[in-house]
Amino acid sequence: GENVEQHPSTLSVQEGDSAVIKCTYSDSASNYFPWYKQELGKRPQLIIDIRSNVGEKKDQRIAVTLNKTAKHFSLHITETQPEDSAVYFCAASPGNQGGKLIFGQGTELSVKP
Amino acid sequence: EADIYQTPRYLVIGTGKKITLECSQTMGHDKMYWYQQDPGMELHLIHYSYGVNSTEKGDLSSESTVSRIRTEHFPLTLESARPSHTSQYLCASSESGGLKGYEQYFGPGTRLTVT
Repeated sequence: GENVEQHPSTLSVQEGDSAVIKCTYSDSASNYFPWYKQELGKRPQLIIDIRSNVGEKKDQRIAVTLNKTAKHFSLHITETQPEDSAVYFCAASPGNQGGKLIFGQGTELSVKP
Repeated sequence: EADIYQTPRYLVIGTGKKITLECSQTMGHDKMYWYQQDPGMELHLIHYSYGVNSTEKGDLSSESTVSRIRTEHFPLTLESARPSHTSQYLCASSESGGLKGYEQYFGPGTRLTVT
């Protein structure tokens, strides 16, 4: 079955710097790759997603890139702010399994003022 | 407002008790999911349902059971709670298909402690 690996597990940056989180997946048939942000004590919330027919997607300060050949995708956050501090999860949806998501291990991002 | 609701939000219960965690959604979604998550850690899929009377086990083995008698309701039951069941349980839902078919929306979670 699908396996998603996420790195790093913790990331600390200064306010205004960029942050990059990387994920790899094993199932070449996976076709949907969302990123969720979970603040302490809150529910995970979708921040951006990308489908397998697209290489890059951007929404204001966040962007996701997908390399299908290498089976990896990355989250990029520019001009980080303290409110970006949270745990970020990547996920992959295996092909032909109706929308199930397999999550990565999570990255705890800390943005220092 | 369309949302996903989970009750109770917090539950402390003794070993051996039977518990049911409630999940309801007013999103009009066909698909629903249960995840188990230790604080700040990976989300593990334990059950999912693609419609009424359809339930499947997820990738993480769980002693819990689920039912889907109504579209909007997806309760999770533990017949005999044990300390190893202590965790946060998150319910989620998504549409059936189309461009939004994979986007999952999460409930606020139930934090379960078994003493």
